[in-house]
Amino acid sequence: DIVLTHSPGTLSLSPGERATLSCRASQSVSNSYLAWYQEKPGQAPRLLIYGASSRATGIPDRFSGSGSGTDFTLTISRLEPEDFAVYYCLQYGGSPWTFGQGTKVEIK
Amino acid sequence: QVQLQESGPGLVKPSETLSLTCAVSGYSISSGHYWAWIRQPPGKGLEWVGSIYHDGSTYYSPSLKSRLSMSVDTSKNQFSLKLSSLAAADTAIYYCARHLVVAPFDYWGQGTLVTVSS
Repeated sequence: DIVLTHSPGTLSLSPGERATLSCRASQSVSNSYLAWYQEKPGQAPRLLIYGASSRATGIPDRFSGSGSGTDFTLTISRLEPEDFAVYYCLQYGGSPWTFGQGTKVEIK
Repeated sequence: QVQLQESGPGLVKPSETLSLTCAVSGYSISSGHYWAWIRQPPGKGLEWVGSIYHDGSTYYSPSLKSRLSMSVDTSKNQFSLKLSSLAAADTAIYYCARHLVVAPFDYWGQGTLVTVSS
């Protein structure tokens, strides 16, 4: 199985700051089939990014994804109050599909 | 508007079988997407459980394959999960979701909490 490791585990930032989240895979993710999700308490995860860098429908352009192979990054250019949440990466290039353990972005 | 809604018991005893159903509205379950179950133990990360296509083809997580069965009912536009020999470690929020063959989950249900306890 492909193991995805997030870093850092928790990111403490203020609104307006830039957030950089990392997701590292234990082996190369084929075709950059890597997605990012945002999860808030009591809600289902929301798809932000697919194919490592494509924004899902309706996702603001302050969210961007990059990377390939084993190293992927989600960047939130300027944090809005509603962006404080847990973020997960998902690889869907190899079976079984696997998620990372998540990065919590909290208000500093 | 695609909507998914999970239903099932909130409490199940150890060693018993869990049965969950996901009702899909706003989209035909036969229209080419795959339908999945994903779970999340309290305070932990997400785990893909398995996926099914409308023709009944299934893809299960290797770690759950021996205890898992999924089915689809196109007449009711819903799909189901059965997970046997439950243990406390199966306590989780169970989500149903939609995806294409090589594409991430795009629509999710709200999730249903299943607690395994005597």
